[in-house]
Amino acid sequence: AQSVTQPDIHITVSEGASLELRCNYSYGATPYLFWYVQSPGQGLQLLLKYFSGDTLVQGIKGFEAEFKRSQSSFNLRKPSVHWSDAAEYFCAYSSGYSTLTFGKGTMLLVSP
Amino acid sequence: DVKVTQSSRYLVKRTGEKVFLECVQDMDHENMFWYRQDPGLGLRLIYFSYDVKMKEKGDIPEGYSVSREKKERFSLILESASTNQTSMYLCASSPRQEWEETQYFGPGTRLLVL
Repeated sequence: AQSVTQPDIHITVSEGASLELRCNYSYGATPYLFWYVQSPGQGLQLLLKYFSGDTLVQGIKGFEAEFKRSQSSFNLRKPSVHWSDAAEYFCAYSSGYSTLTFGKGTMLLVSP
Repeated sequence: DVKVTQSSRYLVKRTGEKVFLECVQDMDHENMFWYRQDPGLGLRLIYFSYDVKMKEKGDIPEGYSVSREKKERFSLILESASTNQTSMYLCASSPRQEWEETQYFGPGTRLLVL
């Protein structure tokens, strides 16, 4: 069965510092990969997605993610974190023949 | 912009009650989904629908049913609510029938079953 792993439950980053959130998936087929963000009390908003082509994907709010097939990873990055980025982040995966499988989420805390 | 609305943001019900959670989308999407979200467990798929009157079980359908009489509306039904169904419920929709399509989420309904 396909699965998505987000190894970090919580991450604390200082405002202005760089950020990397990890995501690994387990399935052999060509993946469709997504990052969503959930602000407190809100639904999920799509940050970016990867289907094919360039393995470095740009998203909204200054986020980017890099697909690395050899490592089965799709890590999310941002060069300089803002206090408004504090939220929960979800990585999700689809094989294209099934619905989305979500990771358990990473809570990002931003310290002043 | 795609808009997915859910009938209630907060709901308090008693054990044994029948509970209806309503979801409406305004973008003519074929696919609609119901998830529950619990701390440390992420999002888990309860049911989904890829067309009117069609439904498919997700990963955790037990204790739930759904109804899709119109394309824009997808209802989640708890036939007899139990305390272990206290959770955040999220509805989503996506266009066409390709599972790689982006899902658009509603704001969620936080349900407390006493």
